[in-house]
Amino acid sequence: AQSVAQPEDQVNVAEGNPLTVKCTYSVSGNPYLFWYVQYPNRGLQFLLKYITGDNLVKGSYGFEAEFNKSQTSFHLKKPSALVSDSALYFCAVRGDYGQNFVFGPGTRLSVLP
Amino acid sequence: KAGVTQTPRYLIKTRGQQVTLSCSPISGHRSVSWYQQTPGQGLQFLFEYFSETQRNKGNFPGRFSGRQFSNSRSEMNVSTLELGDSALYLCASSLGGLGNEQFFGPGTRLTVL
Repeated sequence: AQSVAQPEDQVNVAEGNPLTVKCTYSVSGNPYLFWYVQYPNRGLQFLLKYITGDNLVKGSYGFEAEFNKSQTSFHLKKPSALVSDSALYFCAVRGDYGQNFVFGPGTRLSVLP
Repeated sequence: KAGVTQTPRYLIKTRGQQVTLSCSPISGHRSVSWYQQTPGQGLQFLFEYFSETQRNKGNFPGRFSGRQFSNSRSEMNVSTLELGDSALYLCASSLGGLGNEQFFGPGTRLTVL
């Protein structure tokens, strides 16, 4: 069975500081990993994905994520947080056996001015 | 390209009624997935359609059903509504490959009274 864990319900960070939102996963086969962001009263927006190749992937709005196969993790990072980054972040996984997407419970990021 | 559109955006129904939600994917996308989002359960996968065939199904009762048309537009139906069906229903489309990201619509907010 597939699963995604986001161990922190809430992450608070000061503007200008680096941020990390954690994600670990379990999947049969090779993983396809995704990060999405949701702003209030809106659908989810795609940020970045890992399919294969470089373990560090870069995405929209200055975000990046590092795939770690041995730790089955895919943490989202940004070197310098903005107040406008405050939102709900979801990690998702899909296995290469054709399974459906599974989303984590979400992490609420608050960037304080 | 126009994004994923969902209609209606808001619905209020009473217990026992049925409801049909509609989703128009991004042009060229052949996969449409549906999700239920609630504060307590997070984002739960309902089903995925690809070229008019259901490719994956989540753990929801048979009251939840869906279909996809030849133009890739999709509908989901919920019969005999229950109070617990109140949620944001999100539709997402993709090209259909396992590594392809999903693009989400704004959602339909269903309230069951």
